[in-house]
Amino acid sequence: SYVLTQPPSVSVAPGKTARIPCGGNNIGSKSVHWYQQKPGQAPVVVIYYDSDRPSGIPERFSGSNSGNTATLTISRVEAGDEADYYCQVWDSSSDHRVFGGGTKLTVL
Amino acid sequence: QVQLVQSGAEVKKPGASVKVSCEASGYTFTSYYLHWVRQAPGQGLEWMGIINPSGGSTNYAQKFQGRVTMTSDTSTSTIYMELSSLRSEDTAVYYCARSSGALDSWGQGTLVTVSS
Repeated sequence: SYVLTQPPSVSVAPGKTARIPCGGNNIGSKSVHWYQQKPGQAPVVVIYYDSDRPSGIPERFSGSNSGNTATLTISRVEAGDEADYYCQVWDSSSDHRVFGGGTKLTVL
Repeated sequence: QVQLVQSGAEVKKPGASVKVSCEASGYTFTSYYLHWVRQAPGQGLEWMGIINPSGGSTNYAQKFQGRVTMTSDTSTSTIYMELSSLRSEDTAVYYCARSSGALDSWGQGTLVTVSS
């Protein structure tokens, strides 16, 4: 089955740029969605189809996908961005959805 | 607005079954597939399966094959997830979520605790 790999944690100072990678075999050929989850809350999609942003999500959130790595980029990081972030794809071979293990973003 | 409202928390003994409901509103129920995703305490998100509310076809993650049943009731715009032969490792928050590519709307989650 398809595997997505994320670092357990990323730390960034306020105002700086955070980059959260999501690795997978030829992930660039798949569409990647990103979710933000704060403690005690349900996940919220922040990027869909690699780089599209839902209404209400700040422009500071962006996504890219190429080769074996997709990346969620958060510019001008704020304290309120501290959360767990998950990447997700559709594995066409099994017709299953797959989540990465999640990355905890800490704002220093 | 799209809303997915799930049933309340459950406490079950090992070996029992649990059935969680998810009532949809604010959109045409049969136009979007719905998923079940669970999250064990302190752990990540785990995809369990998908149901087409129109017709009821399903596709389950390999891990849950034989133990999970997902059903749909179009008369009440509600889907159900039943998990059998519960064990302590099934203690988790269970979410339903609507997909339009990404999972764009989520229920509030239902905590299922398995304990003797």
